[in-house]
Amino acid sequence: DQQVKQNSPSLSVQEGRISILNCDYTNSMFDYFLWYKKYPAEGPTFLISISSIKDKNEDGRFTVFLNKSAKHLSLHIVPSQPGDSAVYFCAASAMAAGNKLTFGGGTRVLVKP
Amino acid sequence: SQTIHQWPATLVQPVGSPLSLECTVEGTSNPNLYWYRQAAGRGLQLLFYSVGIGQISSEVPQNLSASRPQDRQFILSSKKLLLSDSGFYLCAWSGTKWQSNEQFFGPGTRLTVL
Repeated sequence: DQQVKQNSPSLSVQEGRISILNCDYTNSMFDYFLWYKKYPAEGPTFLISISSIKDKNEDGRFTVFLNKSAKHLSLHIVPSQPGDSAVYFCAASAMAAGNKLTFGGGTRVLVKP
Repeated sequence: SQTIHQWPATLVQPVGSPLSLECTVEGTSNPNLYWYRQAAGRGLQLLFYSVGIGQISSEVPQNLSASRPQDRQFILSSKKLLLSDSGFYLCAWSGTKWQSNEQFFGPGTRLTVL
């Protein structure tokens, strides 16, 4: 039972345009959501997060939107840069479950120059 | 600042051989520690987590075990490797305060079982 899903395994976008990555979850106990970026053969690096009490969090070129009623979150990257080409993982946690992270399957982003 | 180390970076082992992967964290005390595996083309699966020395919780039944002999040391082991144990193993740490949801990952170990 996949509690966190990233239904798009890959995404191709032109440099300078917006990248939109989507993530859906099923567990209503999740109260904190994170996005990680991963290059091949490296550990994931934390990008941005959002608490369930908010619906938007912005950090530079990265913005995360949370729609709790739809159990959906998205990551917007604008403008996209070639260095953004990587695999992006969505993750969720619940304080009641000790804040363990449940990860989605990842979306591979390719930014074309 | 906090840093997390994993070694070895890559490992090729025959089926049936033992395994020991090590993870150490610097610059923090009493971290929560985690072991994940990323199989080829798949997401991150939590294998074990630890909230303190000697305290290990297993998330999935498997051929692996974990130990935490010291506060900032986390070890992943196996007595006999299987082909299905191949993958990219990641160690991570997080703070223990309830606000500390972010986990910070090490560089990973690529394990190939032949």
